[in-house]
Amino acid sequence: AQSVSQHNHHVILSEAASLELGCNYSYGGTVNLFWYVQYPGQHLQLLLKYFSGDPLVKGIKGFEAEFIKSKFSFNLRKPSVQWSDTAEYFCAVKGNAGNMLTFGGGTRLMVKP
Amino acid sequence: SQTIHQWPATLVQPVGSPLSLECTVEGTSNPNLYWYRQAAGRGLQLLFYSVGIGQISSEVPQNLSASRPQDRQFILSSKKLLLSDSGFYLCAWSRESYEQYFGPGTRLTVT
Repeated sequence: AQSVSQHNHHVILSEAASLELGCNYSYGGTVNLFWYVQYPGQHLQLLLKYFSGDPLVKGIKGFEAEFIKSKFSFNLRKPSVQWSDTAEYFCAVKGNAGNMLTFGGGTRLMVKP
Repeated sequence: SQTIHQWPATLVQPVGSPLSLECTVEGTSNPNLYWYRQAAGRGLQLLFYSVGIGQISSEVPQNLSASRPQDRQFILSSKKLLLSDSGFYLCAWSRESYEQYFGPGTRLTVT
């Protein structure tokens, strides 16, 4: 069975600081990887995704993530965070053969102005 | 464009009462549909998914059931709610095996 681990449960940063949120997964086959974000009071929405090709993927709002197959990781990064990035971030993995997403426990990011 | 609706937005129900949460999708046909429960610090737990009318797969044995009476309608039900059923319930849809899109959710409190 696949599993996803997000090691940072709560992160507090000041504006303009760099961000890296860890995501590791456990799955033996080809995977599709996702980062979702949930802003306060809003829907869970897709931030970025990896299906194949360039392992460095760019998403909305300046976020990017790098798929490192050897490390089973898909860390989310942003060079300079803004107060508006305060949200909860979820990493998710889907095996290539199925439809089901497995989510990590989420990371709550608070950006102080 | 596609939109996904859930209602009610919030619900307070006594223990032992029935439950019916509804999810509908607009702007697409034959979507895959999903019910998740979100618990603080535990991410999203997949409860049910459906690839077509009347086709329901359960991921976690529990006090809940799901039905898909129409192509773009997905219903989460319970005959008798338990305190442990309290939580935030999310519906999602996807086109085949692509990314999933989530609804606004229903906050259920069982008292």
